[in-house]
Order: sequence, then structure tokens, then C-alpha cells
Amino acid sequence: DVKVTQSSRYLVKRTGEKVFLECVQDMDHENMFWYRQDPGLGLRLIYFSYDVKMKEKGDIPEGYSVSREKKERFSLILESASTNQTSMYLCASSPGTGGDGYTFGSGTRLTVV
Amino acid sequence: DAKTTQPTSMDCAEGRAANLPCNHSTISGNEYVYWYRQIHSQGPQYIIHGLKNNETNEMASLIITEDRKSSTLILPHATLRDTAVYYCIVRLSRSFNKFYFGSGTKLNVKP
Repeated sequence: DVKVTQSSRYLVKRTGEKVFLECVQDMDHENMFWYRQDPGLGLRLIYFSYDVKMKEKGDIPEGYSVSREKKERFSLILESASTNQTSMYLCASSPGTGGDGYTFGSGTRLTVV
Repeated sequence: DAKTTQPTSMDCAEGRAANLPCNHSTISGNEYVYWYRQIHSQGPQYIIHGLKNNETNEMASLIITEDRKSSTLILPHATLRDTAVYYCIVRLSRSFNKFYFGSGTKLNVKP
């Protein structure tokens, strides 16, 4: 019954590495989102996409980019990982019709050393 | 999007009803009230949402005041597995609109 799948549960990367976080949803949702969650700061929106090849910046896009080549897949890219990007990353999707909520993945806990 | 105010934490005895309040005094007419919860180390899970009328599903009930400035999430028979952070969110009805998650309420269900 898995609906939003994040490719890794835990990741450890080195400073300066290029990091790809993958998210796939099987619900044919139009909208997909990437959040990061940090203690005391709650969930903060990084990027979202409401259609294939479309992307919009969220509240904290610096240091990140995204890719949405197919409807079901939304990738978050850390161009050059830094220690302040150590966090829990959450992917979510929602349908194109109004009034419905998000479905979240289980999260990827990324540690940058 | 309207902001919400929730208590930082609440306790509830197992088997009793848990009533989680949320204030959203600046809510506008086309904003929905959503509730999510997050169990430790998992992604947030959708619980319920409503616009004006009270709503009930297999997980919970949502009571929205007539002026829509506050709401209450009710878990009718709390279990230990309901221990989680509960988020109340208001959001415009446009489908791509962002969710803003506040700090939520940590519900501790105790034996």
C-alpha cells in the first residue's frame, strides 16, 4: 500500500558531494513537494512542482535544485552538500483537484559530514 | 495562508477521548482546516479536513466552530499508538497551494 516512496531511508554524504534524493508516487498526482524538517523549525518547503517540468521555489530553495521529468518522479538535488544541509527530507504529493491533502513519504535522513 | 495556534503538548489516558484544540482566527472563507500527525521518525500522515461542517472518518472527528475561528480534533478512544505530534493547518483550496506546518501539539497517550 506504499504510495510515496523515497529511495533512501538514511544517507551519509561528504561535504561538497552532489546528492540526489529521489521520490516516486504511484497515485498519478499532479503536485509534488520537497520539505526539510529540523528540530524547532518544523517543516520548511524547499521546492514544489505542479506539473511535469514545472517547478517553483519554496521558502528555502538556496543550495537545492529539483527535477521533474516524469509525472511520478520528483528529485531533489544538493549541488554541493554542506553540513547545514544535514536534515530529514520529506517528499509529498497531492492531486490536482482542490480540497485534498498531501501524502508524505517516510523521509530520508541525510547526514553530511 | 492563515496561521494557527496550538498548545505545545497534551496528555491523554489510554482509552479516553483526546481533544486537540486549534485556533485560526484569521482564516478566510475559502480556507480549509487540515489535520495531520507525525509519529516519531515517520512522514506526516493525513487525518482529516473540513471547510465549514463537522467531519468524521475512521480515524477522528473534526469540530469547526460556527465562526470558523477555531477547531477541535477528537480521537474518540486514544491508544498508545496515537502518541504523535498533531498539526493543524489552514490552506487555500487551490490544489497546488503549499502547506505551512507549525510546531503542532505533542500528544502523549499514557497507560
